[in-house]
Parts: sequence; structure tokens; C-alpha cells
Amino acid sequence: RKEVEQDPGPFNVPEGATVAFNCTYSNSASQSFFWYRQDCRKEPKLLMSVYSSGNEDGRFTAQLNRASQYISLLIRDSKLSDSATYLCVVNSGGTYKYIFGTGTRLKVLA
Amino acid sequence: SAVISQKPSRDICQRGTSLTIQCQVDSQVTMMFWYRQQPGQSLTLIATANQGSEATYESGFVIDKFPISRPNLTFSTLTVSNMSPEDSSIYLCSAAAGGHEQFFGPGTRLTVL
Repeated sequence: RKEVEQDPGPFNVPEGATVAFNCTYSNSASQSFFWYRQDCRKEPKLLMSVYSSGNEDGRFTAQLNRASQYISLLIRDSKLSDSATYLCVVNSGGTYKYIFGTGTRLKVLA
Repeated sequence: SAVISQKPSRDICQRGTSLTIQCQVDSQVTMMFWYRQQPGQSLTLIATANQGSEATYESGFVIDKFPISRPNLTFSTLTVSNMSPEDSSIYLCSAAAGGHEQFFGPGTRLTVL
């Protein structure tokens, strides 16, 4: 089983739609969780950290479920500019090491 | 956050040669990391580079092939040695600036002929 698993997609959604991605992780000792966004031929950029209580940043909401070992990302009112690959990232057992998921591709259609 | 630059941004190299990639951070950071991203794939950690100590390599990566330097708190280099076409990839450096978040450089796109 992979340490971090994501549905690779692609998710094709119309503008204005709400879309959710899930990501599961296998190491119950993981402490830090993140969502990164990667545009084609660009480096990953931090979208948001994921906190135990859940957190929201504008149209983006991240949730953590430790019992079931998954994190989620909800995007409301999708924009064309949201089209990208979303990477789920989990630190390895409380260290600084990142384990990346394979990414979920999102395409927002006009 | 940290602003990270990498040089070169891209290169085309002949097999058997070596390439050194430089990574510069705009602030002092304790931990820097080197990753590889194959086309269409996610990132794989090569090694963690801490100032004042030897780099720590992940399984499948060795110092002879990927020597790393970390002479100070703002700079690191990764050398890809004795290159083969299988080394063609994007190489990214990142830095952890205080918290657990990592910030990435723009990457170096390497093609080995």
C-alpha cells in the first residue's frame, strides 16, 4: 500500500461547481498535512496546511480525519484558474520528510 | 515563506558527464531538500541537506551518484554524476523555513542524451 494515495483524476468540472478531493495516508504517526498546487511545468506551491480542526481559506476548505487517516480539500465556486494538479503531502512520522501523493488533476471548464 | 532560486533552469547534457545544480534561499533555513520529479509523476525525495552535516539519502539514492553540498544556511548544490538518459528529470530543491511547510525552487529540467 502506498504511504499517500490520491485519486489521479482527471476531474473535469464546470465553472462555479464545487469539487472535493480525498487523500489517504498509511502512517498513523504523521503529524503535518498539506495541500500543494502544481501547475504544468511549474514547481509545487503551498495551497494550505491542514489542521486538526479543519481550516478554510476563501473558497478552499481542508479537513483532517485522523481516525480514518484521510485529508480532504473542498473547492467551492471553481474558477478556470483553479485548473492544476493538487498534491496531498504528509510528513513522514513526525519528521520533516514529505511524502507526496501522485496528485489529482483538476480541469475547470468554461 | 522563503524565496528560492535554482540554476540552471534547464540543461541538455551528454551521457557520462556531470551537472551541478545550485539552490539559493533568500533567508537562512535549517533544512533543505532535493527532489526529483519524473514526467507525469509526483515528487520523490532524493536527500535532506542540513548545514554542517552529511546529507541524508533516501532509499535508492547514493552519495556517489548525487553528491550534495550545504556550505551555509542559504545555499546547497546537488550534482548528478555520470549521467545516463534515465537521469532525465526535473530536479527541485526546497527549504523548510521555521515551520513544517516547505517552499520549492522553480526546478531544473535536465535532459540527458
